[in-house]
Amino acid sequence: RKEVEQDPGPFNVPEGATVAFNCTYSNSASQSFFWYRQDCRKEPKLLMSVYSSGNEDGRFTAQLNRASQYISLLIRDSKLSDSATYLCVENAGNNRKLIWGLGTSLAVNP
Amino acid sequence: SAVISQKPSRDICQRGTSLTIQCQVDSQVTMMFWYRQQPGQSLTLIATANQGSEATYESGFVIDKFPISRPNLTFSTLTVSNMSPEDSSIYLCSVERAFGGGGQETQYFGPGTRLLVL
Repeated sequence: RKEVEQDPGPFNVPEGATVAFNCTYSNSASQSFFWYRQDCRKEPKLLMSVYSSGNEDGRFTAQLNRASQYISLLIRDSKLSDSATYLCVENAGNNRKLIWGLGTSLAVNP
Repeated sequence: SAVISQKPSRDICQRGTSLTIQCQVDSQVTMMFWYRQQPGQSLTLIATANQGSEATYESGFVIDKFPISRPNLTFSTLTVSNMSPEDSSIYLCSVERAFGGGGQETQYFGPGTRLLVL
C-alpha cells in the first residue's frame, strides 16, 4: 500500500470556486505534513505546512485529522493561477525523509 | 527559502554515456538530497548527500549507477552512469531550510535537470 495517497484528479473548477483535496497517510506516528505546489515543468515549491490541527494562509486552509489519518487542502475563491499539481508530503520521522504523494492536478477555468 | 541552481537545465544524451548534474546552494547546508521524477510520477529519493561522508542511497539505487560527490557544504554532483532510455527523467536536488518563525524545516528544490536518453 502506498504510504501517501492522493486523488490524482484532474479537478476542473471555474474561477471563484472552492475546491478541496484530501490525502491519506499510513504512518500514525508522523508529526508533520506539507502541501507543495508544482507547476508544469517546474520544481515543487512549498505551499504550506500542516502541524497539529491545521493551518490557514489567505485563501488556503490545510487541515490534519489524526484519527482518520488524512490531511486536506482547501482553496477558496480559485484563481486561474492556482492551476497546478498539489503534492501531499509526509515527514515520517527522524531520518528526515519526506514521503511524497503522486499529486492532485487542478485546472481552474475562466 | 534557499537559492539553488542546477546545471545543466536539460540535456539529450545517447545511451551508454554518462551525465553529471551539478547543484549549487547559496549558503552552507548539512544535507543535500537528490530526487528523480519520472513522467507522471511523484518524487523518488535517490540518495542523501552529506559533506565528508559517503552518500546514503535508497532502495533500488546504487552508487555505481548514481555516484554522488559532496566536496563542500554548498555543492554536490549526481552522475547518471551508463544511461539507458529508462533513465529519462527530471533530476532534482534539494536542501533543508527553516521556514516560518517556529524553527520548522522542510526541503527546497533546485529547478531540476530534464534528461532525455535516446
